[in-house]
Amino acid sequence: SSELTQDPAVSVALGQTVRITCQGDSLRSYYASWYQQKPGQAPVLVIYGKNNRPSGIPDRFSGSSSGNTASLTITGAQAEDEADYYCNSRDSSGNLVFGGGTKLTVL
Amino acid sequence: QLQLQESGPGLVKPSETLSLTCTVSGGSISSSSYYWGWIRQPPGKGLEWIGSIYYSGSTYYNPSLKSRVTISVDTSKNQFSLKLSSVTAADTAVYYCARRAKGTRSSWLDYWGQGTLVTVSS
Repeated sequence: SSELTQDPAVSVALGQTVRITCQGDSLRSYYASWYQQKPGQAPVLVIYGKNNRPSGIPDRFSGSSSGNTASLTITGAQAEDEADYYCNSRDSSGNLVFGGGTKLTVL
Repeated sequence: QLQLQESGPGLVKPSETLSLTCTVSGGSISSSSYYWGWIRQPPGKGLEWIGSIYYSGSTYYNPSLKSRVTISVDTSKNQFSLKLSSVTAADTAVYYCARRAKGTRSSWLDYWGQGTLVTVSS
């Protein structure tokens, strides 16, 4: 089955820009979606498709893709952005797969 | 506003079958634009996709769980359900239901339930 790989942890200084990456073969054919999860809460969709934000998601969140790598960029990270971030994609069979998650710390 | 709510037993004995239901409100489960799915998260660990179902009954299952999973839909009640058989302690997790949308070269989970913790223990 398909696999998606994420760095376990990333840190960023308050107000700086951070990129969280996700690698996998399925990303050569399909876009990733990205989810933010804070402790004790359900995941929240922050980016989907080529680079789309659901209503209510700040425009400091953006997505991009190149080859087998998808990226979530937070431009001007805020304290409230500290959370776990998961990428997700479909494969050619229509199944979904999640990355292992990245814990973002805002310093 | 679409809402999803999981319900079911919070404690299941080893070797038995875990059964959960997701009730959808604020929208129709029979919409042709969406699938409906289950995702789980063991304590302190990452998300794992379990499977998805279309209102017609068409399903997708995680290959690693396929032999034990059944997802069904009841359009008259606007609900879909999960059954996971022969559970072990490794199936202890928060179980989420979610709506799966699709677009060009993409698929995403845009609405989630709050999640329900299911513990497998005797």
